[in-house]
Amino acid sequence: DQQVKQNSPSLSVQEGRISILNCDYTNSMFDYFLWYKKYPAEGPTFLISISSIKDKNEDGRFTVFLNKSAKHLSLHIVPSQPGDSAVYFCAASAVSAIYDMRFGAGTRLTVKP
Amino acid sequence: NAGVTQTPKFRILKIGQSMTLQCAQDMNHNYMYWYRQDPGMGLKLIYYSVGAGITDKGEVPNGYNVSRSTTEDFPLRLELAAPSQTSVYFCASSWALAGGKGGEQFFGPGTRLTVL
Repeated sequence: DQQVKQNSPSLSVQEGRISILNCDYTNSMFDYFLWYKKYPAEGPTFLISISSIKDKNEDGRFTVFLNKSAKHLSLHIVPSQPGDSAVYFCAASAVSAIYDMRFGAGTRLTVKP
Repeated sequence: NAGVTQTPKFRILKIGQSMTLQCAQDMNHNYMYWYRQDPGMGLKLIYYSVGAGITDKGEVPNGYNVSRSTTEDFPLRLELAAPSQTSVYFCASSWALAGGKGGEQFFGPGTRLTVL
């Protein structure tokens, strides 16, 4: 039962444009969400997080938006850079099982120069 | 700081063999985790530990065992390897429990395991 879904396996954008990566979840108990980035042959690295008490969190070029009613979050990267090319994972957890992060399958972002 | 290190990087096992995947962190994190990632799927939690001597099961613990005798090390043991255990294994650590503020996880580079 995949509780966190990233329905787009891949996304390609031009350098300088906005990248929007989407994530949907089914468990209404999820209250903390994170995005991780992964380069080939490396482990995932933390990018940005958001708590369910917020609907937006910004860190430099990265912004995460949370729509609780739609059970949807998105990661915006503006402007996109070639070095952003990686696989992006969405993850979520519930306060009742705070250790148990559930990950999406990832979206491969390619930023073309 | 080396961060989270994992050995080996690659391994091929025959069905029924056993092995231990090593994981170490030098950040003095209390919380450590083992995940597996199958092709086209997200990471799934195998086991986690909240400190030396304390471990608990995650979503997919069957076929695996762990121990945590020190803060730094968290080895994952596979007994009687099966083809279904073919996967990429990631070890991670965090300052606070994952899923909350400060719980951002630091991951190792992974071990790619094939069971034939």
